[in-house]
Amino acid sequence: GAVVSQHPSRVICKSGTSVKIECRSLDFQATTMFWYRQFPKQSLMLMATSNEGSKATYEQGVEKDKFLINHASLTLSTLTVTSAHPEDSSFYICSVSRGLITEAFFGQGTRLTVV
Amino acid sequence: DAKTTQPTSMDCAEGRAANLPCNHSTISGNEYVYWYRQIHSQGPQYIIHGLKNNETNEMASLIITEDRKSSTLILPHATLRDTAVYYCIVRARQYKAAGNKLTFGGGTRVLVKP
Repeated sequence: GAVVSQHPSRVICKSGTSVKIECRSLDFQATTMFWYRQFPKQSLMLMATSNEGSKATYEQGVEKDKFLINHASLTLSTLTVTSAHPEDSSFYICSVSRGLITEAFFGQGTRLTVV
Repeated sequence: DAKTTQPTSMDCAEGRAANLPCNHSTISGNEYVYWYRQIHSQGPQYIIHGLKNNETNEMASLIITEDRKSSTLILPHATLRDTAVYYCIVRARQYKAAGNKLTFGGGTRVLVKP
């Protein structure tokens, strides 16, 4: 069964509005979750590392004020795309991993379209 | 993490074995070889990983050369549902969850044909 649940799977929003994407770890408590972004015909790019109870760590070039990450519990991390623009349209994917188990588990992804 | 090189694309016949190569000539001793795949419009799915011995699970087999500079993922009986992008990733084993981020290359786009 699914280890990670991501919601919504698809969202269309108007330019200038904000969109929240949820990532839930179903099988275990995750102190760390990862957020990736994938543009059409490209590979996944890590955006940020979400840390439970502390600030997220963002990759170079990712605006932390635009992509707000909240990891308030051990099973839920949220990514909010603020003031979305058409260039933010992308496939957003979260992943979780256990400390000593090396494989990563991914959510189903969220297709964001900003019009 | 060591860089990997994979063919951009390959076609496979349904029911036949699919052999997906990956070069990782700069791999270091503590780095594992991981394989993930991504079916269109879905999140990646873990397939298998190994250090130096060959590995097999219900999804695939992983053959790593003795010098560890390359590996091959084998899908024993490819089905149409195996059509996906396959990513070979090399990284050291992590002991903290924060280290489990992955760096994805271009992968191999595999098309299984009837």
